[in-house]
Amino acid sequence: DQQVKQNSPSLSVQEGRISILNCDYTNSMFDYFLWYKKYPAEGPTFLISISSIKDKNEDGRFTVFLNKSAKHLSLHIVPSPPGDSAVYFCAASARLSSYKLIFGSGTRLLVRP
Amino acid sequence: DVKVTQSSRYLVKRTGEKVFLECVQDMDHENMFWYRQDPGLGLRLIYFSYDVKMKEKGDIPEGYSVSREKKERFSLILESASTNQTSMYLCASSLYGLAGGPGTGELFFGEGSRLTVL
Repeated sequence: DQQVKQNSPSLSVQEGRISILNCDYTNSMFDYFLWYKKYPAEGPTFLISISSIKDKNEDGRFTVFLNKSAKHLSLHIVPSPPGDSAVYFCAASARLSSYKLIFGSGTRLLVRP
Repeated sequence: DVKVTQSSRYLVKRTGEKVFLECVQDMDHENMFWYRQDPGLGLRLIYFSYDVKMKEKGDIPEGYSVSREKKERFSLILESASTNQTSMYLCASSLYGLAGGPGTGELFFGEGSRLTVL
């Protein structure tokens, strides 16, 4: 059973609009969450993270929101240029499991010109 | 600049063959990892190593083994390849711990090795 779920395999948005990628988790012990971005033929690269003591973290065009009661996090990208087209992976970890990362299945974002 | 290099980008092997996937990092990182990426399943941890000659099983170690004889090099071995091991294999390294926690740094990934087993 997947502990980290990205229920939307793909998302398409218009260039310049906001992209919202969602992630749900089931393990209440998770206390740290990360987003990775992956272009074709490249390895994933770290994008942004958030600790469970926060409900929001911003870094430039990227903002991650965490709703612990709903066990849900989202990544907002504003604005979205075509170069943001990639697969985005949500990942979670728990201090009690030595912060071993559990990844979601990924969401393919297509930003249309 | 941080660099994780995987020796083969694309491999095609036959069922039963022994397969070696090599990974080298130039960042003097303590920890190295092997993941596989499959559609709909995301990245799953096969093995990791937190020191030379040390290894730990990840979530899906069956059918795989690893070797870490030098700090910069981490090899994934498929003793007898099977068709269900057709996948994208990603090597990663991190400076601290399992790289999933606050202040522990991030995972740096290689470009991946796409293995097809016929």
